[in-house]
Amino acid sequence: GAGVSQTPSNKVTEKGKYVELRCDPISGHTALYWYRQSLGQGPEFLIYFQGTGAADDSGLPNDRFFAVRPEGSVSTLKIQRTERGDSAVYLCASSPGTSSGNTIYFGEGSWLTVV
Amino acid sequence: AQSVAQPEDQVNVAEGNPLTVKCTYSVSGNPYLFWYVQYPNRGLQFLLKYITGDNLVKGSYGFEAEFNKSQTSFHLKKPSALVSDSALYFCAVRGGQGSGNTGKLIFGQGTTLQVKP
Repeated sequence: GAGVSQTPSNKVTEKGKYVELRCDPISGHTALYWYRQSLGQGPEFLIYFQGTGAADDSGLPNDRFFAVRPEGSVSTLKIQRTERGDSAVYLCASSPGTSSGNTIYFGEGSWLTVV
Repeated sequence: AQSVAQPEDQVNVAEGNPLTVKCTYSVSGNPYLFWYVQYPNRGLQFLLKYITGDNLVKGSYGFEAEFNKSQTSFHLKKPSALVSDSALYFCAVRGGQGSGNTGKLIFGQGTTLQVKP
């Protein structure tokens, strides 16, 4: 497709379980971003990749959260030992590069509910 | 550190009237400013951005925004509001060269725009 694709669109999991969220960026975009959005809040930065490497992971809340982008395209956000407070929409985005003027394009998000 | 403030949680306007959604920012170096719109249960859609040049930026769906460096503001405007403009609007900032942070966007808390018929 032409846009950023995220799967699953909805995920309900039990507290303590492991979750993976997948993001397929716009073709040719070298930069990929993960954000988290809680109800009534603005998107909160988690991590971004330039190519295969994490350029800035300062937003990951703790070591239960990890993200990879092994081939510089698709990325997976991994959450271990999920907690109810992890419930949120996880937004993925991509851009042609990390130059400040580049527009960042968002996917529809993965809604995670931890019960 | 970069930050964005959207002082109004909600803006109400009648259809056909002009609208303004306010945004102020703080960033080192030259700012790169963006507006996004979010409809219910959807992702963020890009509306417009300011990089350099003319302080009045025009974007999608008839929206425009005015960059004011002295007031560190980037207010979103539209001359004539439509009911279909009702949505959640986010302002975001990215630092320019010398800011130490040219990658990530920092978002405000969002402003709900309600346009009534």
